Amino acid sequence: TQLLEQSPQFLSIQEGENLTVYCNSSSVFSSLQWYRQEPGEGPVLLVTVVTGGEVKKLKRLTFQFGDARKDSSLHITAAQPGDTGLYLCAGGRYGGATNKLIFGTGTLLAVQP
Amino acid sequence: EPEVTQTPSHQVTQMGQEVILRCVPISNHLYFYWYRQILGQKVEFLVSFYNNEISEKSEIFDDQFSVERPDGSNFTLKIRSTKLEDSAMYFCASSELGAREFGYTFGSGTRLTVV
Repeated sequence: TQLLEQSPQFLSIQEGENLTVYCNSSSVFSSLQWYRQEPGEGPVLLVTVVTGGEVKKLKRLTFQFGDARKDSSLHITAAQPGDTGLYLCAGGRYGGATNKLIFGTGTLLAVQP
Repeated sequence: EPEVTQTPSHQVTQMGQEVILRCVPISNHLYFYWYRQILGQKVEFLVSFYNNEISEKSEIFDDQFSVERPDGSNFTLKIRSTKLEDSAMYFCASSELGAREFGYTFGSGTRLTVV
């Protein structure tokens, strides 16, 4: 069974602080996606990374895919209350015809004003 | 922006009853999925559907579950005889192709409560 472990599980910070969320696995993934989910809503795709070592930036969010494609990180600079939510990483497998994603355990972020 | 629509948003049903959860995926998408999320737990894959047939299903998706795309637009998940442990948020998702690279678009979910 492929598992994606996220850390930390919970994070409460003050507005303006920086933070990093980690997503780790012992398995290789062909891509790694990050989603944000708000209460009562479905996950919303933030980014997809597909190449080992790839770095993508989305405004104050920086995403990195590990060189071995087993891990990823999400760094938020100068967090704002609007960044509050559940952050999910999800790995796409090699091969197969289904494009199934394996979701991580989630990181719940609360940014206090 | 195109979106995936799910109905109903909430469903309460008695144990043993059948429920049908409905989804309208994005019109030009080719792959369709159901995931579920039990309260406080992670998002779990149930089933994927492509070219009018199931392409993969998880061990959760037993004989009590079925999916259909009856009319080319709707995509339904049926649970024949609900159990208490089926209580969860059920998310429908679709992808154009290559979800490994392009990701999914999720609906807002149906909260199913089995009493």
